[in-house]
Amino acid sequence: AQSVTQPDIHITVSEGASLELRCNYSYGATPYLFWYVQSPGQGLQLLLKYFSGDTLVQGIKGFEAEFKRSQSSFNLRKPSVHWSDAAEYFCAVGAREDQGGKLIFGQGTELSVKP
Amino acid sequence: KAGVTQTPRYLIKTRGQQVTLSCSPISGHRSVSWYQQTPGQGLQFLFEYFSETQRNKGNFPGRFSGRQFSNSRSEMNVSTLELGDSALYLCASSPDAGTASYEQYFGPGTRLTVT
Repeated sequence: AQSVTQPDIHITVSEGASLELRCNYSYGATPYLFWYVQSPGQGLQLLLKYFSGDTLVQGIKGFEAEFKRSQSSFNLRKPSVHWSDAAEYFCAVGAREDQGGKLIFGQGTELSVKP
Repeated sequence: KAGVTQTPRYLIKTRGQQVTLSCSPISGHRSVSWYQQTPGQGLQFLFEYFSETQRNKGNFPGRFSGRQFSNSRSEMNVSTLELGDSALYLCASSPDAGTASYEQYFGPGTRLTVT
């Protein structure tokens, strides 16, 4: 079955430190992969996406992610975290249906940023 | 371009009642999907509509239904509300052009509380 696993429920980093959020997926075909961010009481904002091609993708707000097929991973990184990055982050895989598609989400990783 | 809008933002209903939530997609987007977000189950796909037709459906009981209008606006309805239906209901729209159908843009959500 298609699934997405985010092993870390909660991560705390210091402002200015680097960040890596882990994501592993289970999907038979070539996956379409996404990272979303959700601030408290808000909807989800698309940070970046991977469909094909270059395995290192750049997103908004200085985030990047690397697709590693051999590890079934799509980890999110940021070289220097800002206090405003504190939020919940969701990894998702686009699951094909007979027509159209849907997103299967991981359980999310809550990021706290220490001053 | 305006984003996805959802109304109302907050709703309190009593067990046994029914509720209708509304979603207006980004202009030009023809696909609308609905997701339920709860602390216990995370983000779960409810259904997707395209050209006024339901294309995909998640694993939810028949009390959850939806529809889409000719202008792509969508509504979802939950009948005979249960306490467990308390959740954030998120609507997402996509352009539905090849791989872009998986690139979903979310609204702020409707927070439903069932008492």
